[in-house]
Amino acid sequence: EPEVTQTPSHQVTQMGQEVILRCVPISNHLYFYWYRQILGQKVEFLVSFYNNEISEKSEIFDDQFSVERPDGSNFTLKIRSTKLEDSAMYFCASKGQGTGSPLHFGNGTRLTVT
Amino acid sequence: SQKIEQNSEALNIQEGKTATLTCNYTNYSPAYLQWYRQDPGRGPVFLLLIRENEKEKRKERLKVTFDTTLKQSLFHITASQPADSATYLCALDWENRDDKIIFGKGTRLHILP
Repeated sequence: EPEVTQTPSHQVTQMGQEVILRCVPISNHLYFYWYRQILGQKVEFLVSFYNNEISEKSEIFDDQFSVERPDGSNFTLKIRSTKLEDSAMYFCASKGQGTGSPLHFGNGTRLTVT
Repeated sequence: SQKIEQNSEALNIQEGKTATLTCNYTNYSPAYLQWYRQDPGRGPVFLLLIRENEKEKRKERLKVTFDTTLKQSLFHITASQPADSATYLCALDWENRDDKIIFGKGTRLHILP
């Protein structure tokens, strides 16, 4: 079964540095998402992307964050200047057409900001 | 704004019994509600979808109900097994927008052998 892949699985960075988290969604999916999960807390919506533009974003997704689909397969999340509180698990997800289609998640990138 | 409450942080159930997990939402009725399973260090995995005009859905040992009057969904695992131990997440569309799915905090289920 096709799956969403994320790289790297773990990223350690210093505060103030830029990081790029990478995802390869399922190939025929049309909606792409990033979620964040701080240790022990809930899965929080960051942003959705459809038709080459941001469809919806949360208040967490401020000017420090950006997303891109640079080619037909990759979907990236960039954090421009990382803060300690950005330390979390970041999950990419994709879904196909149709209301209520399930989200397919990758196994996440654990971001540690020191 | 819409809030999702999963009332138990953790639930211990004896193997073979039925586990029942609750999901409540506070405002508008969503067009659908989904349940996911999350294992430690892994992404959530979709289990079941129930739409607003459906009362009940089943898949093997899983059953989901949806009561729009009570603003509640119940998720049942019958004949529970230790392998069912995981965190179960309830999710729904935010303000009936299919491009934003929000999650509850989840219930950690432990099936005791």
